[in-house]
Amino acid sequence: DQQVKQNSPSLSVQEGRISILNCDYTNSMFDYFLWYKKYPAEGPTFLISISSIKDKNEDGRFTVFLNKSAKHLSLHIVPSQPGDSAVYFCAATGRAGGTSYGKLTFGQGTILTVHP
Amino acid sequence: GAGVSQSPSNKVTEKGKDVELRCDPISGHTALYWYRQSLGQGLEFLIYFQGNSAPDKSGLPSDRFSAERTGESVSTLTIQRTQQEDSAVYLCASSQGLAGDNEQFFGPGTRLTVL
Repeated sequence: DQQVKQNSPSLSVQEGRISILNCDYTNSMFDYFLWYKKYPAEGPTFLISISSIKDKNEDGRFTVFLNKSAKHLSLHIVPSQPGDSAVYFCAATGRAGGTSYGKLTFGQGTILTVHP
Repeated sequence: GAGVSQSPSNKVTEKGKDVELRCDPISGHTALYWYRQSLGQGLEFLIYFQGNSAPDKSGLPSDRFSAERTGESVSTLTIQRTQQEDSAVYLCASSQGLAGDNEQFFGPGTRLTVL
């Protein structure tokens, strides 16, 4: 039962263009969403997050959009840089009292390659 | 550095043997998590510890898996009678509180290979 899904295993983008990574979820108890970035042989590092009370959060080149009715979130990176090449995971956690509280449920990840 | 550390970085073992993986969280972080990433999969939650509360073991895949944490410091994940399907990267994370507003900081992981 994959509660968080990233349906694109990979994405290739030209430097300077926009990268859009997508994520869908099924659990309506999720109320906080995060994106993590992972380089080979390293642990994931936090990138940006969004609470369910918002539909957009921006941090420099990174913007996360949340569409609660569609249970969909996306990460936009603009402009994309070669150093952004990594695996990107979306993750979700739920409200206190629910079974998803306190821990992160991750998607399968999307490999982003930004070409110079 | 002051990040999360894990040891060993790589572990190769034979099927049926027991293994113990170690995690040193960031000092002062009350919450500690174990996840694993199997080949081609996302991170799968295993267990978390939060302060003095009972750990949430809901993600442990079988009774061969167990974990302990000493106070708010080191944690060990033990896998008994390892199987080939246990092969994965085991990741530890810590945070100042439970997931949500509290960012989880991950260690580099332990790559376990069961032959």
